[in-house]
Amino acid sequence: AQSVTQLDSQVPVFEEAPVELRCNYSSSVSVYLFWYVQYPNQGLQLLLKYLSGSTLVKGINGFEAEFNKSQTSFHLRKPSVHISDTAEYFCAVSGSGSARQLTFGSGTQLTVLP
Amino acid sequence: EAGVTQSPTHLIKTRGQQATLRCSPISGHTSVYWYQQALGLGLQFLLWYDEGEERNRGNFPPRFSGRQFPNYSSELNVNALELEDSALYLCASSLGQAGADEQFFGPGTRLTVL
Repeated sequence: AQSVTQLDSQVPVFEEAPVELRCNYSSSVSVYLFWYVQYPNQGLQLLLKYLSGSTLVKGINGFEAEFNKSQTSFHLRKPSVHISDTAEYFCAVSGSGSARQLTFGSGTQLTVLP
Repeated sequence: EAGVTQSPTHLIKTRGQQATLRCSPISGHTSVYWYQQALGLGLQFLLWYDEGEERNRGNFPPRFSGRQFPNYSSELNVNALELEDSALYLCASSLGQAGADEQFFGPGTRLTVL
């Protein structure tokens, strides 16, 4: 079974400051890792994904994440946030074969303050 | 290229009624996933269809069911509605690849059970 823990339910940060949203996962098999963003009253948009290879993954809107297998973490970072980054962020894992569905963390509400 | 579409946008039902939600995947995608996003419960996997067959289902009662049509569109049926079925229902589609299967989400259907 797979599980995802997002350690912070809410993260307030001032505009142009850096931010890190934390994500830890557990799985008995190899997984694929994702970060999604959800703006109010909308569906989910993929920010970035880790499938294999380089552990540093770059995504859209200036976000990046680092896969750390020993710590089973996949933290999301952005060096300078904007007001428009205010949204809920979800970390997710999926497997292969019959386990391709996404297992999501509980989400982190990022609020960027002026 | 058109994204994943879902209908209706909003749906209001009363307890005991049945609800039908519809999803059209991205052209060329053969897999459709359904997720429930209920307040306080986060995003939970419901059902996965691929090539017209149900491939996996989450921990939901049998009154949650669905099907996938030959054109790969899908519908989710919820029978004997209960108040706790009120949620945003998200549909996602993918290419149905054996490895990492990136999922693209629709805007969701907001179901309210009175």
